[in-house]
Amino acid sequence: SQQGEEDPQALSIQEGENATMNCSYKTSINNLQWYRQNSGRGLVHLILIRSNEREKHSGRLRVTLDTSKKSSSLLITASRAADTASYFCATDGNDYKLSFGAGTTVTVRA
Amino acid sequence: DSGVTQTPKHLITATGQRVTLRCSPRSGDLSVYWYQQSLDQGLQFLIQYYNGEERAKGNILERFSAQQFPDLHSELNLSSLELGDSALYFCASSVSWGPNQPQHFGDGTRLSIL
Repeated sequence: SQQGEEDPQALSIQEGENATMNCSYKTSINNLQWYRQNSGRGLVHLILIRSNEREKHSGRLRVTLDTSKKSSSLLITASRAADTASYFCATDGNDYKLSFGAGTTVTVRA
Repeated sequence: DSGVTQTPKHLITATGQRVTLRCSPRSGDLSVYWYQQSLDQGLQFLIQYYNGEERAKGNILERFSAQQFPDLHSELNLSSLELGDSALYFCASSVSWGPNQPQHFGDGTRLSIL
């Protein structure tokens, strides 16, 4: 079963715009990770945020975590065509197994 | 390039058959994970090995088995294949087994059952 649920399912934006996607989960976590998957490829790790962190940045990526609401958001700033991909959040519970959401498909139009 | 190698890239076989998927982890990584990705189920964790021993089990069917060898490569064996086993199978690796471990994914093996 999937613990994380991303929203929206799909997102289409113009190059240069920001893209925001959200992830909600059900049970308490140790960490939350975001991954990117380009069509036909494996997942690429983007960022890991620990349960005691509220915000983390990596390049054009900004991740927030609100454990009280059991939710996280991923913001991609100044999007590029190369950002076109599916984005997944993954949570780990006490058993340390990663549980992935269904993903948000982002299309960046030139 | 993640450094994780999966072979073969594509596999086409028939129902009832048995196949073996192979994974070489990133150099230095001791943990190997197997995932199944399908349109209806999404990305499902199957099993994890750490330094040759089974560490965690997920939604892995009894018809499926895996092992990690002394050189740390891993194999996923799928037997008595059914149409519903058609999916992308990913291997991932990480340095260790615990939390705080980013996983590095291979490009997967696409299994098609006819």
